[in-house]
Amino acid sequence: GENVEQHPSTLSVQEGDSAVIKCTYSDSASNYFPWYKQELGKRPQLIIDIRSNVGEKKDQRIAVTLNKTAKHFSLHITETQPEDSAVYFCAVPGAGSYQLTFGKGTKLSVIP
Amino acid sequence: DAGVIQSPRHEVTEMGQEVTLRCKPISGHNSLFWYRQTMMRGLELLIYFNNNVPIDDSGMPEDRFSAKMPNASFSTLKIQPSEPRDSAVYFCASSFGGRETQYFGPGTRLLVL
Repeated sequence: GENVEQHPSTLSVQEGDSAVIKCTYSDSASNYFPWYKQELGKRPQLIIDIRSNVGEKKDQRIAVTLNKTAKHFSLHITETQPEDSAVYFCAVPGAGSYQLTFGKGTKLSVIP
Repeated sequence: DAGVIQSPRHEVTEMGQEVTLRCKPISGHNSLFWYRQTMMRGLELLIYFNNNVPIDDSGMPEDRFSAKMPNASFSTLKIQPSEPRDSAVYFCASSFGGRETQYFGPGTRLLVL
């Protein structure tokens, strides 16, 4: 099955600084790379995704970059705000399967 | 659309009792997933269905857990008998195509005493 590694597991940044979370995967056939945000006590929700025909996608303060050769993709949050504090999960579709494999999650804390 | 609906939102029960969790996926979605989330183990996939058929139940902890999807708009996850270690948040998610964006329900917070 697909192997997904997510780093770091925890990340603390000062408000206004940038945060970067990275995921690596094993299946070269993967072509869809979503990121989910889970606030405390709430459900995981999709915040951004990227498909393998592009290298970068931006949505306001968040962006995802993809390096298919190196098999990794990253979430970038600029000008972080306290409301960005949450657990972030990357996910990768498994080859030939019907599911997404989720990373272990990164707990981001934005310090005011 | 109301999104994925789960019930109950909270459940407190005693060890040995049967627990049934319910899920209504987003209309038109053909894949449904049951996850369990704990601090220790993170987000675990228990089972998923495609077109109402169970595809992979290898994540189901043991025979005490069972899941059904009798039609495209309803699924249940049953634990019988329940144990304290089953205490967790159980999420249901649905998608159009299993490898696409999954939309999660609000979860059921289960506490087994």
